[in-house]
Amino acid sequence: AQSVTQLDSQVPVFEEAPVELRCNYSSSVSVYLFWYVQYPNQGLQLLLKYLSGSTLVKGINGFEAEFNKSQTSFHLRKPSVHISDTAEYFCAVSESAAAGNKLTFGGGTRVLVKP
Amino acid sequence: GAVVSQHPSRVICKSGTSVKIECRSLDFQATTMFWYRQFPKQSLMLMATSNEGSKATYEQGVEKDKFLINHASLTLSTLTVTSAHPEDSSFYICSARGRSTTEAFFGQGTRLTVV
Repeated sequence: AQSVTQLDSQVPVFEEAPVELRCNYSSSVSVYLFWYVQYPNQGLQLLLKYLSGSTLVKGINGFEAEFNKSQTSFHLRKPSVHISDTAEYFCAVSESAAAGNKLTFGGGTRVLVKP
Repeated sequence: GAVVSQHPSRVICKSGTSVKIECRSLDFQATTMFWYRQFPKQSLMLMATSNEGSKATYEQGVEKDKFLINHASLTLSTLTVTSAHPEDSSFYICSARGRSTTEAFFGQGTRLTVV
């Protein structure tokens, strides 16, 4: 069984400041890791994914995440946020490399960017 | 990326009635579709997986007689909430994956309110 924990339910941050969203997972098998963003009343958009290779993954909109196997973490970062980054962010794991296949989601982190 | 359209985006229905939600893949053939449910301020939970032409596989705790899933064609899957109750009020999101794609794409979601 897999589980995903997002330690922060809400993260307020000022515009142009950096942000880090924490994600830890547990699994008895190798997993693939994903970050999704959900804007109000919309579906999910894939930000980035880790399948294999370099542990530092770069995604869309200036986001990046680092896979740390020893700490079973996959934290998401952005060096400078914009108002438009206000959204909910979900970390997810899957046993399948194909993004979007049977995913186990974390509880989500709501990011509020303040001017 | 590929486009998945979900309809309606919002629906309000009376308790005891049934509601049908459609999930369409607009520019690819969806061999597999996933249905998720998201309660307020909670994460997404997988309800069921459907493959075109076969019966859906439901996750533990999801009533298959209450949440009817039909995936009769390669571009359309429907979720029907039967005899809806207020506790069924939720955000329902589908994702679809094609035979030639390695990624599943999410629809915009449907907010169901049962009064």
